[in-house]
Amino acid sequence: NAGVTQTPKFQVLKTGQSMTLQCAQDMNHNSMYWYRQDPGMGLRLIYYSASEGTTDKGEVPNGYNVSRLNKREFSLRLESAAPSQTSVYFCASSGSRREKLFFGSGTQLSVL
Amino acid sequence: SQQGEEDPQALSIQEGENATMNCSYKTSINNLQWYRQNSGRGLVHLILIRSNEREKHSGRLRVTLDTSKKSSSLLITASRAADTASYFCATATGGGADGLTFGKGTHLIIQP
Repeated sequence: NAGVTQTPKFQVLKTGQSMTLQCAQDMNHNSMYWYRQDPGMGLRLIYYSASEGTTDKGEVPNGYNVSRLNKREFSLRLESAAPSQTSVYFCASSGSRREKLFFGSGTQLSVL
Repeated sequence: SQQGEEDPQALSIQEGENATMNCSYKTSINNLQWYRQNSGRGLVHLILIRSNEREKHSGRLRVTLDTSKKSSSLLITASRAADTASYFCATATGGGADGLTFGKGTHLIIQP
């Protein structure tokens, strides 16, 4: 079982560039999430999707967009990257809302 | 905003000793969860305790929850070098945004 798969693992962008982080899960989970992790800040929720076709803002949504392409896939897009978006990004999924989360291995993003 | 706050921020003990870390939170919760993160990896779910439970065990892990004090503790007994990791508490509230709110974590080092 692959679980939650994120791509890419590493990315370096210049300020103003755009990119999409991909996430897919093979556990037939309804809920999917994007978090960012910064040193000393813990994890903060960017966006989530409670089911296919729905997305909602989390704690820190500014500068990001998401797409729940189907039940398996949930992508995160940075339209115009800023240095403040330098972080490690984690995708997660869960079978039930607010229950056990399964995390991907993360994407380390640097914006110069 | 951070819901959970772990204490201490860092803990170093000898292999074989017990490790205790604490989590305090601010608002009423539906459940509280503990996760482990090894360096450079995603988070792994350890244990979930619901608001109507006071104690839960899983292998060498023991979690307590005191809703009157809005606090939880995670005890790891007979620690091993492989327990070296960061540990995060995460809370699920009954309403509002979906997803879990994470604390900043406790970094645990087990000295061989």
